[in-house]
Amino acid sequence: QKEVEQDPGPLSVPEGAIVSLNCTYSNSAFQYFMWYRQYSRKGPELLMYTYSSGNKEDGRFTAQVDKSSKYISLFIRDSQPSDSATYLCAMRDYGGSQGNLIFGKGTKLSVKP
Amino acid sequence: DGGITQSPKYLFRKEGQNVTLSCEQNLNHDAMYWYRQDPGQGLRLIYYSQIVNDFQKGDIAEGYSVSREKKESFPLTVTSAQKNPTAFYLCASSIVSLVEEKLFFGSGTQLSVL
Repeated sequence: QKEVEQDPGPLSVPEGAIVSLNCTYSNSAFQYFMWYRQYSRKGPELLMYTYSSGNKEDGRFTAQVDKSSKYISLFIRDSQPSDSATYLCAMRDYGGSQGNLIFGKGTKLSVKP
Repeated sequence: DGGITQSPKYLFRKEGQNVTLSCEQNLNHDAMYWYRQDPGQGLRLIYYSQIVNDFQKGDIAEGYSVSREKKESFPLTVTSAQKNPTAFYLCASSIVSLVEEKLFFGSGTQLSVL
């Protein structure tokens, strides 16, 4: 079983829809969870950063972590065509050396006008 | 503007040739990283460095080499030993921390084999 599983999509939704993106993981030691957005042929940019379980909201974006189920989600409300990108989840455990960040394979999202 | 600059944007390698990808940052970050991204794959760590003149191998270091002579610079050499070098290469930087690892990425270099 891979450490981080993410459905690659592609996911296509109409403008204004609520989008749900998800990752599951197997390592119960993961404490820090991130979502990166990557536009085509560009570097990823950090979108959301959460620690342990719970929700975090930033504008139209909500990140949710359920450590008991080893499941994280990113919700996008009122989706826009500009949200069309690949979304990568990433996570790591506490401490250790740099370079411990584990990435999912990414979900490609397309928001149609 | 603060950020990470990767060059060139596109690079072509001939058989048996070594090529070097440039990465420069002015964010004053101590840690720098090189990732490889293949279509449909997640990011895989090649090398990382937490301090000048020191670096560690990541998951797929074979066929690659790096140097860290300056804090701002972390060039990656793809050697002829790397038999499948075609990929999108991403450089990143971050502060050194036990708790945070927020990566800031460059725009990437697409390497292809002629």
